[in-house]
Amino acid sequence: GAVVSQHPSRVICKSGTSVKIECRSLDFQATTMFWYRQFPKQSLMLMATSNEGSKATYEQGVEKDKFLINHASLTLSTLTVTSAHPEDSSFYICSAHPGQGPQHFGDGTRLSIL
Amino acid sequence: ELKVEQNPLFLSMQEGKNYTIYCNYSTTSDRLYWYRQDPGKSLESLFVLLSNGAVKQEGRLMASLDTKARLSTLHITAAVHDLSATYFCAPEYGQNFVFGPGTRLSVLP
Repeated sequence: GAVVSQHPSRVICKSGTSVKIECRSLDFQATTMFWYRQFPKQSLMLMATSNEGSKATYEQGVEKDKFLINHASLTLSTLTVTSAHPEDSSFYICSAHPGQGPQHFGDGTRLSIL
Repeated sequence: ELKVEQNPLFLSMQEGKNYTIYCNYSTTSDRLYWYRQDPGKSLESLFVLLSNGAVKQEGRLMASLDTKARLSTLHITAAVHDLSATYFCAPEYGQNFVFGPGTRLSVLP
C-alpha cells in the first residue's frame, strides 16, 4: 500500500530553535499534502494544505510566518516551525493525497520544546 | 459551520460485549472514513465508505453510512482488549477531511 514517510519521529529542542519536519510520499506522487497538529487527547486539527509548486493554504488562526511550508516536489513537503516555543509542543502529522482515494498519513512527529 | 460529532467520546466496555459509536456531521458528504489511533501513534485506516447505504466489515468492526441522515456508525461485536484505541470518523470534502473529536475506547478484561 501507499507509504508516507515522516521524519523525524521525535524532536526535543530548546525554546527559540527552528525545527524542520519532512513528509515524503514514497511510492506515489502527491499533488496535495496536508499538515495536522494534534494536542494530547484531542482530535487532529488541519493546519495547512500544501500544493506542489504553489503557496500553502493556511487554516484560520495558523500563523503562516510561524509555520513555514514548502512543497518543492510531488513527493516532498516540509513544515518548519520557526522560533519554537513550549506552546508549539504537539504531535504533528502529515498526509499525502495521490489525487484519487484516501489520504495516506505519516507516522507523526512529536515535538517537545523545552 | 461544518461540525462533526461523535458519540460517545469515552467508552469503557467489557470484553465480549457489543457497542456502537455514532458519527454525525452537519454538511452533506458522500464519503466518510474511519480511522484508529493507538497512543503515541499516527492514524490507521479502517474503512472507506463511498456511498449512501455502504456497509463494510472487518473482523469485529462494521461501519455503515447514511448520507441522507448525515450519520455513520461503527459497530463493535464481541469486543476484545486489542480494540482499545481512539476511533475517529472523518467525512470528506473535496480532498480534505474534517475529523470528529474521537471516541476513546477501553475494553476491559
